[in-house]
Amino acid sequence: QKEVEQDPGPLSVPEGAIVSLNCTYSNSAFQYFMWYRQYSRKGPELLMYTYSSGNKEDGRFTAQVDKSSKYISLFIRDSQPSDSATYLCAMSMDTGRRALTFGSGTRLQVQP
Amino acid sequence: GAVVSQHPSRVICKSGTSVKIECRSLDFQATTMFWYRQFPKKSLMLMATSNEGSKATYEQGVEKDKFLINHASLTLSTLTVTSAHPEDSSFYICSARDSGKPGQSYEQYFGPGTRLTVT
Repeated sequence: QKEVEQDPGPLSVPEGAIVSLNCTYSNSAFQYFMWYRQYSRKGPELLMYTYSSGNKEDGRFTAQVDKSSKYISLFIRDSQPSDSATYLCAMSMDTGRRALTFGSGTRLQVQP
Repeated sequence: GAVVSQHPSRVICKSGTSVKIECRSLDFQATTMFWYRQFPKKSLMLMATSNEGSKATYEQGVEKDKFLINHASLTLSTLTVTSAHPEDSSFYICSARDSGKPGQSYEQYFGPGTRLTVT
């Protein structure tokens, strides 16, 4: 079993739709949860980060963490064609020097 | 702020040669940098953690003699792929943590990646 599971997609939605992206994980020691967006042949860029359980909103993006279920989500409202990219969830155990553990990424296509 | 650059962005080399990839933090200092490898439509696989002034820590299964890492300054880490073979062809991405923000050390800033093709 992988430490972090993420549906690879592709997920195709029409412009303006609400998008839901999800990851599940097995290691209860993860404390920090992040979502990265990666355009084709580019490095990932940080979209959202959340510490422990709860919700965080930033513009059209909302990140949710449910540690009891080991489940995290990213919602994108009013999706735009420019949101078409691969979305990677990532997790970290602490603020030390540990690297991030990534999900495999979900490829999102927003159709105009 | 928090920009990480990589050079080159793309390189093609012949089998048996060595290739050096540079990762630089442009506007912050990074005592810790990470090197990842990404195959098409796959996630990032951590190869090694690069620590300024000390030896890199390699992940299980990564050959340290093949993937040489040097973190000689607070803004530069290099990855050298020695005696490259076609199976080393991949997208290599580095990331860096801002040493000046210990409270946000979970954040990593990624470079744009280097596409290596070994013929």
